[in-house]
Amino acid sequence: AQSVTQLDSQVPVFEEAPVELRCNYSSSVSVYLFWYVQYPNQGLQLLLKYLSGSTLVKGINGFEAEFNKSQTSFHLRKPSVHISDTAEYFCAVRGTNTGNQFYFGTGTSLTVIP
Amino acid sequence: NAGVTQTPKFQVLKTGQSMTLQCAQDMNHNSMYWYRQDPGMGLRLIYYSASEGTTDKGEVPNGYNVSRLNKREFSLRLESAAPSQTSVYFCASSAQGNYGYTFGSGTRLTVV
Repeated sequence: AQSVTQLDSQVPVFEEAPVELRCNYSSSVSVYLFWYVQYPNQGLQLLLKYLSGSTLVKGINGFEAEFNKSQTSFHLRKPSVHISDTAEYFCAVRGTNTGNQFYFGTGTSLTVIP
Repeated sequence: NAGVTQTPKFQVLKTGQSMTLQCAQDMNHNSMYWYRQDPGMGLRLIYYSASEGTTDKGEVPNGYNVSRLNKREFSLRLESAAPSQTSVYFCASSAQGNYGYTFGSGTRLTVV
């Protein structure tokens, strides 16, 4: 089985500052990795995903993430945040050969301060 | 619009009452899922259906039943609601292969 750890439950950051949301996973098999965003009172939307190839993945809204196999990490970054980025962010992992079941982290609440 | 549709959006139940949460997708996805979301605990899988005609338990199945009615629809039933089932419930679907989930907008359930 796989598991996901999001190290920070809450991250406050000032508008236009950079941000990094941390995600580590554990798995005995190769994995696919995902970041989802949840705006208040909405469902989850896919932000970006790593399947194979380049370890730097770019997603929507200016976010990017880097897969680091040796550190089993998939941290999410944005160089300059906006008020509209305030949301809950979830990291998720899925084994490449273990069906479609995803495992989610507990989420990181990003609050952008004006 | 294509996607995952959940009904109802909000529901209040008394302890012991039963209800069914409905989910339908129009993307021809094979797999469908039910998650619950609780503060500080992220999303936990209740049941999933890898394909039409199959269902399997997830991490927290107790107190729930599911039905994969056809390829489009996957319902979640609470036979005797308990306050511990107060949560936000999300349905999701996915295609075979490398794709992520598509989520519904959620059902906010309160059991009093």
